[in-house]
Amino acid sequence: DAGVIQSPRHEVTEMGQEVTLRCKPISGHDYLFWYRQTMMRGLELLIYFNNNVPIDDSGMPEDRFSAKMPNASFSTLKIQPSEPRDSAVYFCASSVLPSPGNTIYFGEGSWLTVV
Amino acid sequence: AQRVTQPEKLLSVFKGAPVELKCNYSYSGSPELFWYVQYSRQRLQLLLRHISRESIKGFTADLNKGETSFHLKKPFAQEEDSAMYYCALPRAGTASKLTFGTGTRLQVTL
Repeated sequence: DAGVIQSPRHEVTEMGQEVTLRCKPISGHDYLFWYRQTMMRGLELLIYFNNNVPIDDSGMPEDRFSAKMPNASFSTLKIQPSEPRDSAVYFCASSVLPSPGNTIYFGEGSWLTVV
Repeated sequence: AQRVTQPEKLLSVFKGAPVELKCNYSYSGSPELFWYVQYSRQRLQLLLRHISRESIKGFTADLNKGETSFHLKKPFAQEEDSAMYYCALPRAGTASKLTFGTGTRLQVTL
């Protein structure tokens, strides 16, 4: 398996533009997570899905952020409109059903710069 | 509420020196704790988990319930250990939803 696949790897966009980040989880994983990494706040969980259903989106910063998982092999994180403070690395991760000690597998991240 | 605290943003050590990356937690019940590592421009990956009581790349971490700590240690730092290290524990009620600390950047210099 190629692991969790994210695209784009890098994106530079202008303030106000819509940004869509994409993720393909590892096949067979029931959980999908979106994390945001910044220097100031470290790694923050934005939202996670179980069997394509959003379970907890309490980490989503504001209404400009939305995430979908239309099927078991694809998820998107959308920012509309984007702002400079959204600049960060966005990680997608997946895991199997929870049990003690289960590993979460991360993608390589999408490096977003909003100018 | 559960929380993970990594007090140091940056830890700089010389090659060959001992390393201790601090992690303190607050959690009700018996926590499962993890250390994740992110090398430069690579994906975040699991380094070790306390339940396995393993040593990975020379690193070990012992859960100290009395001090609520899970410090990551290595007796002799190597240049290739330079990376970002995150301590993590699951949110209560779900082992897969991890709360991460803010991370510590380990810099190993010659």
